[in-house]
Amino acid sequence: DTGVSQNPRHKITKRGQNVTFRCDPISEHNRLYWYRQTLGQGPEFLTYFQNEAQLEKSRLLSDRFSAERPKGSFSTLEIQRTEQGDSAMYLCASSPTWDWGYTFGSGTRLTVV
Amino acid sequence: TQLLEQSPQFLSIQEGENLTVYCNSSSVFSSLQWYRQEPGEGPVLLVTVVTGGEVKKLKRLTFQFGDARKDSSLHITAAQPGDTGLYLCAGHLTNAGKSTFGDGTTLTVKP
Repeated sequence: DTGVSQNPRHKITKRGQNVTFRCDPISEHNRLYWYRQTLGQGPEFLTYFQNEAQLEKSRLLSDRFSAERPKGSFSTLEIQRTEQGDSAMYLCASSPTWDWGYTFGSGTRLTVV
Repeated sequence: TQLLEQSPQFLSIQEGENLTVYCNSSSVFSSLQWYRQEPGEGPVLLVTVVTGGEVKKLKRLTFQFGDARKDSSLHITAAQPGDTGLYLCAGHLTNAGKSTFGDGTTLTVKP
């Protein structure tokens, strides 16, 4: 297993466009998490899945954000009608249990111009 | 207010010095993790602590979980330039589905 894989690594998009990111977790991990990180801040929770079920979504997350994990394998995070404030590093992580540490991917750096 | 407060925010030291960084909260955690992150990369898990008073060592790094499971510290002995990075703590509240992160301590070790 090569760890958690995220694609693309970098994305530049114009304001108002939609973007989609993909995360492939470690295959034995049934929990998958999405976090967002801006410069000088720690990762901020967005949402998480146990298998294919989305169990929690941050109240800070607008309706423009949606995530899926079909068949409990890879996950996608879509942002509709991007805004400049969406510019951040989007991190995906997976874990085998609910209270152990996470294995993070390298992230997707989004820049909205 | 932040659930986890990390201090100091920035730390710059010379190679060979010792240092301690802190992670504090008023909440009780079922587990707490420390991660190290380099620019442009995701955080890398260093350790998980679960028992109050627990001490774990990873080479030159010593991690301690407070007796009340509300705080933690990371001590580095004889720091090296390769220790440079952002050190993040993350806590897992009981019955919470996810970890909450602090804003980290940025460590720079000068040769």
